[in-house]
Amino acid sequence: QKEVEQNSGPLSVPEGAIASLNCTYSDRGSQSFFWYRQYSGKSPELIMFIYSNGDKEDGRFTAQLNKASQYVSLLIRDSQPSDSATYLCAALSSGSARQLTFGSGTQLTVLP
Amino acid sequence: EAQVTQNPRYLITVTGKKLTVTCSQNMNHEYMSWYRQDPGLGLRQIYYSMNVEVTDKGDVPEGYKVSRKEKRNFPLILESPSPNQTSLYFCASSPSGWVEGTQYFGPGTRLTVL
Repeated sequence: QKEVEQNSGPLSVPEGAIASLNCTYSDRGSQSFFWYRQYSGKSPELIMFIYSNGDKEDGRFTAQLNKASQYVSLLIRDSQPSDSATYLCAALSSGSARQLTFGSGTQLTVLP
Repeated sequence: EAQVTQNPRYLITVTGKKLTVTCSQNMNHEYMSWYRQDPGLGLRQIYYSMNVEVTDKGDVPEGYKVSRKEKRNFPLILESPSPNQTSLYFCASSPSGWVEGTQYFGPGTRLTVL
């Protein structure tokens, strides 16, 4: 059973701080990893993807991947109240079965 | 506007009454998928399709059927719904290749089975 694990939170940070969201995965064959944001009552939307070891930056967001440790993280710099949402980590399986496995999500609250 | 649409958005039904939830995308995506979302369990994949006439089971396929006769449509069929299928359902699509993880989600269908 391929698993993606996330701390469910809730995680609270003050406005302007760095929010750090973590994720581990069990399938060592997974090659691509995705972060989705889901506001309450809405559908998930893609924030970032990463497939190479190291960091990938996009605006206030930085995704980090360590394949040796099977660990993915998302850093949100200068957190804003509008960043308050549930963040879902997902791993795409390798090979012919192209399954996307999601973690249960981390609820983030940014306090004004 | 590029989008994934689902219908109905809300549905209350009774045990055993067959139902279909439709999903359509206008982005010419090869890959389509169905998920259910339950509190504390996150998104779980039910079925996915990598192209027309090609479907595969996800992690929780029991009690569901799908078909992919056209590229744009991917309906989810519950032949005999049961209360444990009460959930929030999402359809999603993406281009094929490694970017299959970059999925566009529909607005969701909230299903209640009494």
